[in-house]
Amino acid sequence: EVQLVESGGGLVQPGGSLRLSCAASGFTFSAYSMNWVRQAPGKGLEWVSYISRTSSTIYYADSVKGRFTISRDNAKNSLYLQMNSLRAEDTAVYYCARRSSSTSTGGYFDYWGQGTLVTVSS
Amino acid sequence: QSVLTQPPSVSAAPGQKVTISCSGSSSNIGNNYVSWYRQLPGTAPKLLIYDNYERPSGIPDRLSGSKSGTSATLGITGLQTGDEADYYCGTWDSSLSGWVFGGGTKLTVL
Repeated sequence: EVQLVESGGGLVQPGGSLRLSCAASGFTFSAYSMNWVRQAPGKGLEWVSYISRTSSTIYYADSVKGRFTISRDNAKNSLYLQMNSLRAEDTAVYYCARRSSSTSTGGYFDYWGQGTLVTVSS
Repeated sequence: QSVLTQPPSVSAAPGQKVTISCSGSSSNIGNNYVSWYRQLPGTAPKLLIYDNYERPSGIPDRLSGSKSGTSATLGITGLQTGDEADYYCGTWDSSLSGWVFGGGTKLTVL
């Protein structure tokens, strides 16, 4: 059974940092590209970042570019999101999501974790 | 303001059919596959449709997807109270080099 379990969320002051983790199991982690998607309270889904299977290709949403860093450790079956210079508008539930695709670009998110809440407030 | 446009809400009676639209542009829906997700309150999104109309295993054929030009549609027939949820469309945007979602549609089964 595919499982994605996020951790690392919590309360942080504006300007602070936080590192999220996503532990993957039930599939060959190194064979899939991964993503972070967030959802602010009462709002819709917002894609945050993508990392390819070998970390050779990385994308970020403009809203987090220069502040967030995505990474992965295939030996540990883990995905990470380092979040710096956090702002109130970064408050959200952060989901890790596995990407599948029938083409080389695009694709869809076939498995999602349960999410971890990040609250940025003083 | 979401890149993809969905109606905020739709409603229909049990047993009836409902459609949810998703409108975009040539840089996203027009040239990329669309996927649809269902989100129950307090839970993670779940994949319902991928590659415009394909259903993952376990998703009943009451759910269907279609795409025409720069718009996509999710259809649900034989509505059940358990279908009440938020529904999101999503796709790759070639201009943004990232994924985009619709703002979400809340389905109410009256």
